[in-house]
Amino acid sequence: DIQMTQSPSSLSASVRDRVTLTCRASQSISTYLNWYQQKPGKAPKLLIYAASSLQSGVPSRFSGSGSGTDFTLTISGLQPEDFATYYCQQTYSPPSFTFGPGTKVDI
Amino acid sequence: EVQLVQSGAEVKKPGESLKISCKGSGYIFTNYWIGWVRQMPGEGPEWMGVIWPSDSDTRYSPSFQGQVTISVDKSISTAYLQWSTLKASDTAMYYCARQLSSNDRRWFDPWGQGTLVTVSS
Repeated sequence: DIQMTQSPSSLSASVRDRVTLTCRASQSISTYLNWYQQKPGKAPKLLIYAASSLQSGVPSRFSGSGSGTDFTLTISGLQPEDFATYYCQQTYSPPSFTFGPGTKVDI
Repeated sequence: EVQLVQSGAEVKKPGESLKISCKGSGYIFTNYWIGWVRQMPGEGPEWMGVIWPSDSDTRYSPSFQGQVTISVDKSISTAYLQWSTLKASDTAMYYCARQLSSNDRRWFDPWGQGTLVTVSS
């Protein structure tokens, strides 16, 4: 099984900060990597797919990069509505599309 | 608008059976895989499996193989997740999600609103 790790597990930030979240896979997964945002009591929402493609309707302050085992999600200019938990997911190894443990972004 | 609408919250006792649903609308239901995800209280999501509604081809994550059954009724654009014998450890929020793909990459959007399953004596 491919294991996913995320760092940090939580971070405190302020509005307008630039924030970088990291996701690492236990083996190379090319660009088979998605990022989701989840707010309390809500379903995950797709932000980035295939490592760097921005989902339609998602603000351009979100960006993704990386390939192989190391990936980043960057939020350029944090907004109040961005305080949430962010999960990465690998889809290289079907049908076990494992998620990372998440990074909680709060004030 | 593409939507997945899930059935309502359930409270069950250990040993009981349960079937929850996920109804798709706004797109051709048989053209996309549907996946199921478990999220236990305070934890991250866990991938359970996917189903191809056109022919009911189903793929389970090894952790969930034999623990649940994923099925579909394409005539009513609805996917299901069922348990024959619930345990307290099945208490969680369950989500369905539509799989999109391109060049062998896969991603999931939209997601249903979630079904909370509580198993308690």
